[in-house]
Amino acid sequence: DAMVIQNPRYQVTQFGKPVTLSCSQTLNHNVMYWYQQKSSQAPKLLFHYYDKDFNNEADTPDNFQSRRPNTSFCFLDIRSPGLGDAAMYLCATSRGGAGGNNEQFFGPGTRLTVL
Amino acid sequence: LAKITQPISMDSYEGQEVNITCSHNNIATNDYITWYQQFPSQGPRFIIQGYKTKVTNEVASLFIPADRKSSTLSLPRVSLSDTAVYYCLVGSGAGNMLTFGGGTRLMVKP
Repeated sequence: DAMVIQNPRYQVTQFGKPVTLSCSQTLNHNVMYWYQQKSSQAPKLLFHYYDKDFNNEADTPDNFQSRRPNTSFCFLDIRSPGLGDAAMYLCATSRGGAGGNNEQFFGPGTRLTVL
Repeated sequence: LAKITQPISMDSYEGQEVNITCSHNNIATNDYITWYQQFPSQGPRFIIQGYKTKVTNEVASLFIPADRKSSTLSLPRVSLSDTAVYYCLVGSGAGNMLTFGGGTRLMVKP
């Protein structure tokens, strides 16, 4: 089945130690998103790629970066994780434009713990 | 940017119809309204999407009044497996402005 895959499902890192989360998709969608979801809160969009074009949300901290080497893969890099970055990180994809009129397909998420 | 509010929680019983309303007073002309369902430790899953009036699919209906400042997700005859958090998402067709409501935790009781 076509899907969005996130690895690892659980990641533990130390305060200040860089960490990379990965996302891959077999849907061949041109848009990929990264969301942060803290406990009992709604997902918050960090940024998205429309094909190779990177679109950063205005309030996304510089500590968060992303790479998309090809259509199928997208990475979230946290350069210096703080305790406040502990959250579930969700990757999503959509077909067509990166707008609200396109269904997003979400991966299962990576739960990040910062010690 | 649309400010989006939903009830924090709702309780229902199996077999009942559940209506969850989302308020989005600042919705923009190009914004669509989408509802997602999320189970614990899973990513959200698409339920339904609309722009105006009424949309129906095999699992839900979405009612949007003419002023589009609110929308109501209707789940017919809920079952225990519908216990989840339901999010309203308002998004602009122009791209970046995608905002989730705070989510409504639905508990379906036997």
